[in-house]
Amino acid sequence: DIQMTQSPSSLSASVGDRVTITCRASQSIDIYLNWYQQKPGKAPHLLIYAAFSLQSGVPSRFSGSGFGTDFTLTIDGLQPEDFATYYCQQSYTNLSFGGGTKVEVK
Amino acid sequence: EVRLEESGGGLEQPGRSLRLSCAASGFTFEGYAMHWVRQAPGKGLEWVSGINWNGDRRGYADSVKDRFTISRDNAKNSLYLEMNSLRPEDTALYYCTKGSRYYSSYFNNDASDVWGQGTMVTVPS
Repeated sequence: DIQMTQSPSSLSASVGDRVTITCRASQSIDIYLNWYQQKPGKAPHLLIYAAFSLQSGVPSRFSGSGFGTDFTLTIDGLQPEDFATYYCQQSYTNLSFGGGTKVEVK
Repeated sequence: EVRLEESGGGLEQPGRSLRLSCAASGFTFEGYAMHWVRQAPGKGLEWVSGINWNGDRRGYADSVKDRFTISRDNAKNSLYLEMNSLRPEDTALYYCTKGSRYYSSYFNNDASDVWGQGTMVTVPS
């Protein structure tokens, strides 16, 4: 199975900051990398699919990049509603998630 | 409104079985792959199983392979997860999710664009 490693596991940031979360796959997954946001007590929701495509309705401050094994989620201008946990997911073969990155208030 | 509603969770003893259901509405159910994803209390997300639009391709996480079976009934707009030989480590909130690619032959190379609210499964140790 493909292992997904996210870093950092948590970070502290302020409103307006640029935040970057990375995800590394144990083997090449082409562009089959998705990003989700989850808030406490809520189901996750899709932010980015296929590495860099923004899901409909998701603000443009969210962006994704990468190919192969290394991927990045960037939030450009963190907003109060963005404090949450973020997960990457590979869908190249079967599916698997990274361990999550909790974005907390600095 | 696109909606997924899970049911069938509860408290079950180790070694026993449980069947989860997911009722879909608001979209053409037969056109999309479907998945089960779980989250143990206070932990991260774990993909459990996926099935393509017509059920002829299915996949499982190693942790549930040979114990869980995913199926779907397109006539009833429903997804199922048969869980056998339950273990304490199966304790989690189980989410039903919808794939985003229309009539894809595969359940992978996809993303979950709609999630239910989950149904809790508890297996005591």
